[in-house]
Amino acid sequence: EAQVTQNPRYLITVTGKKLTVTCSQNMNHEYMSWYRQDPGLGLRQIYYSMNVEVTDKGDVPEGYKVSRKEKRNFPLILESPSPNQTSLYFCASSPLLGADNQPQHFGDGTRLSIL
Amino acid sequence: QKEVEQNSGPLSVPEGAIASLNCTYSDRGSQSFFWYRQYSGKSPELIMSIYSNGDKEDGRFTAQLNKASQYVSLLIRDSQPSDSATYLCAFVPAYAGGTSYGKLTFGQGTILTVHP
Repeated sequence: EAQVTQNPRYLITVTGKKLTVTCSQNMNHEYMSWYRQDPGLGLRQIYYSMNVEVTDKGDVPEGYKVSRKEKRNFPLILESPSPNQTSLYFCASSPLLGADNQPQHFGDGTRLSIL
Repeated sequence: QKEVEQNSGPLSVPEGAIASLNCTYSDRGSQSFFWYRQYSGKSPELIMSIYSNGDKEDGRFTAQLNKASQYVSLLIRDSQPSDSATYLCAFVPAYAGGTSYGKLTFGQGTILTVHP
């Protein structure tokens, strides 16, 4: 079954304690991306990756890091989480972004609470 | 000016009516536009993409793009209660060029409720 898997689904943690949210896809997609969703703000892109070892900033990259060492994995790293990073996070993948009939497949989301 | 703005909701329509969702964007060079649907508590799913001026139809959904006026809209004909969701428009900005092709900017979303 084609899927994007995020872990953990829920996490409550404290300010400053490094955390990693993993994202894995089994569709051999080149493109992967991370978003955060906050009430009234829609989805905002954090980072994206066009392929292995190719990453770039989205609209809200501050406080986050990513890596793309393997095609299937695209972890999101919060080196020193702060309460303003409390949000719902989505990972997505697609063969290409923008090509017709190539929808992004989204993971189920990770709800992070930073106290 | 915000990069993308959607008509403020929530939008409520009766079953069987046409629901009209609108989105304006600021980047004149943008070429790729998308509509996503998100049910409460679920992840977004792509329902329409459009790249050229004019209309694109897919079943009950019609996307309309007007690059000169910088707006994109989504019409849902014969609205059903199952269409009740948040609808997000998104576009690929052209201003940064090069590797920015992977950037995707979303609107804040419009909540649609279709009542029986």
